[in-house]
Amino acid sequence: NAGVTQTPKFRILKIGQSMTLQCAQDMNHNYMYWYRQDPGMGLKLIYYSVGAGITDKGEVPNGYNVSRSTTEDFPLRLELAAPSQTSVYFCASQGGPSYNEQFFGPGTRLTVL
Amino acid sequence: DQQVKQNSPSLSVQEGRISILNCDYTNSMFDYFLWYKKYPAEGPTFLISISSIKDKNEDGRFTVFLNKSAKHLSLHIVPSQPGDSAVYFCAASPNSGNTPLVFGKGTRLSVIA
Repeated sequence: NAGVTQTPKFRILKIGQSMTLQCAQDMNHNYMYWYRQDPGMGLKLIYYSVGAGITDKGEVPNGYNVSRSTTEDFPLRLELAAPSQTSVYFCASQGGPSYNEQFFGPGTRLTVL
Repeated sequence: DQQVKQNSPSLSVQEGRISILNCDYTNSMFDYFLWYKKYPAEGPTFLISISSIKDKNEDGRFTVFLNKSAKHLSLHIVPSQPGDSAVYFCAASPNSGNTPLVFGKGTRLSVIA
């Protein structure tokens, strides 16, 4: 049971490039989340999903897109990367609305230069 | 507008003493609260939670206290150990529905040997 896995661990992008951050979980959780954490700040919700085929915007969705074609995977797409997207990105999963504990992946550190 | 506030960015405590981390919230609909612990270069991990039907929950060295009338909760760590040095996030949610967790900015705890 690997829990929540994220790839890559680190990435450097040039302004205007695009990339996909991968997230997978093997706990059969319906709920999945993408957060970003900027230095000295808390976790800000980018997008979330309550099940395959269902996604919704969080607090800071601009510049990102997500898809949820399977229960296991929840990739985050960055189009036209900007320096403001330099951050650490965390993916999390949760069993459902009655199970409030979220399980986090190890994070992806992204730098946009 | 921050719905979950951790007003102390950092805290230093001597090994063996009590660490008290505080969290305030503004949304009266919140009725489930969680504490997460985060080490550098790792994702947050769940530590302890409390439902609004309780005013205290204890798990080993960790105790969370909830004061609903004051919209305040605190995490007590007794005795503090050097391995407790980490960033602690407070999070809150309504106990029903699909509403995601709302996180505070975190408090960095340093336990000095």
